[in-house]
Amino acid sequence: DTGVSQDPRHKITKRGQNVTFRCDPISEHNRLYWYRQTLGQGPEFLTYFQNEAQLEKSRLLSDRFSAERPKGSFSTLEIQRTEQGDSAMYLCASSLGGWEKLFFGSGTQLSVL
Amino acid sequence: GESVGLHLPTLSVQEGDNSIINCAYSNSASDYFIWYKQESGKGPQFIIDIRSNMDKRQGQRVTVLLNKTVKHLSLQIAATQPGDSAVYFCAENTNAGGTSYGKLTFGQGTILTVHP
Repeated sequence: DTGVSQDPRHKITKRGQNVTFRCDPISEHNRLYWYRQTLGQGPEFLTYFQNEAQLEKSRLLSDRFSAERPKGSFSTLEIQRTEQGDSAMYLCASSLGGWEKLFFGSGTQLSVL
Repeated sequence: GESVGLHLPTLSVQEGDNSIINCAYSNSASDYFIWYKQESGKGPQFIIDIRSNMDKRQGQRVTVLLNKTVKHLSLQIAATQPGDSAVYFCAENTNAGGTSYGKLTFGQGTILTVHP
């Protein structure tokens, strides 16, 4: 257990529905990241927060995706009007800065039917 | 060799053997590299890291070698154990404009299977 918690572990939804995932990083970590991983591939960067500020978003993050970290602690990732192509493992990671040793959570596996 | 999609490179070894997993990275400006281990249904787990001003770093049973000339990274696992069976990813980080943060670019991954 790395100390990064993600909820839920699994989510099955129908196409067109909205879903929200939560991430609780390691408590003293000021940096939080969302990555997406599809079967057989390495994780791909989605977005990054330093404290409550969202400092970068990948082109992968379409306008149906939104992430927040309102108090600089936990973060949520929402996907609106889900599509089958959104099916993936959504990973959250946190770090304390410096040379960016990221600690990953166990992920939320999303299946869009 | 290189593979795409579900056909990850694989390495099968006997328990007690040494394992070497290789990775080619793409960006000559990358200055920090990490190896992660990922077991089925879990997130990537940090193994070892190395900065670009080094060419070798050792941990417990693991060694990472960095060859910047050919943009190659390797992970050596000594006395491989069945519990080492997993997918191994290398990742690189590029210092963007002097502000380094964890925007890692992951390689494809290698499946390591250790037979008892």
